[in-house]
Amino acid sequence: DAGVTQSPTHLIKTRGQQVTLRCSPISGHKSVSWYQQVLGQGPQFIFQYYEKEERGRGNFPDRFSARQFPNYSSELNVNALLLGDSALYLCASSLDRLGNSPLHFGNGTRLTVT
Amino acid sequence: QQQVKQSPQSLIVQKGGISIINCAYENTAFDYFPWYQQFPGKGPALLIAIRPDVSEKKEGRFTISFNKSAKQFSLHIMDSQPGDSATYFCAASEDGNEKLTFGTGTRLTIIP
Repeated sequence: DAGVTQSPTHLIKTRGQQVTLRCSPISGHKSVSWYQQVLGQGPQFIFQYYEKEERGRGNFPDRFSARQFPNYSSELNVNALLLGDSALYLCASSLDRLGNSPLHFGNGTRLTVT
Repeated sequence: QQQVKQSPQSLIVQKGGISIINCAYENTAFDYFPWYQQFPGKGPALLIAIRPDVSEKKEGRFTISFNKSAKQFSLHIMDSQPGDSATYFCAASEDGNEKLTFGTGTRLTIIP
């Protein structure tokens, strides 16, 4: 089975622009989460969706938004990009609730804002 | 507010030795404690996880030790191998909360 796939793998944007990152979960997984990993730090939780409903939101500004589609894939949108948004954006999926089934991460999208 | 503190920041261990990474948490509502391994250019991969109803869990060369009263948990890697060289993250979450709170990571290097 394919793992969590994310696209694109790398992206360069200019301050003020908008970006959309995409994620396909492992087949059969209904939960998708997004994390931001700044270089040298641990991942930070942004959003979690389960069965197309937002179940959790981290401490990120409203410039960050996400959605989950009927096929359980997901998109993360970031508006009005800032230099500080430069990071590795990780998508993760799980079969069930966290703790009942493991969280599987993709290899991320490396976003650079110039 | 950092809720999971991880140490050391970096660690060098000889091949065959024991690697030990420690984490401490503040939130007593945490009840799920996974460890993740991350190689450069890859996403984190789950190594092993524990719940606070047990004090130790072992899977192959990896062991989690958990001290609920001290609010600490640690990862032990026995017979460390060069292929174990990676960054390790501890994490924690509350029951019913889908958010994982990660530590800051430990860069482990295994030398021959």
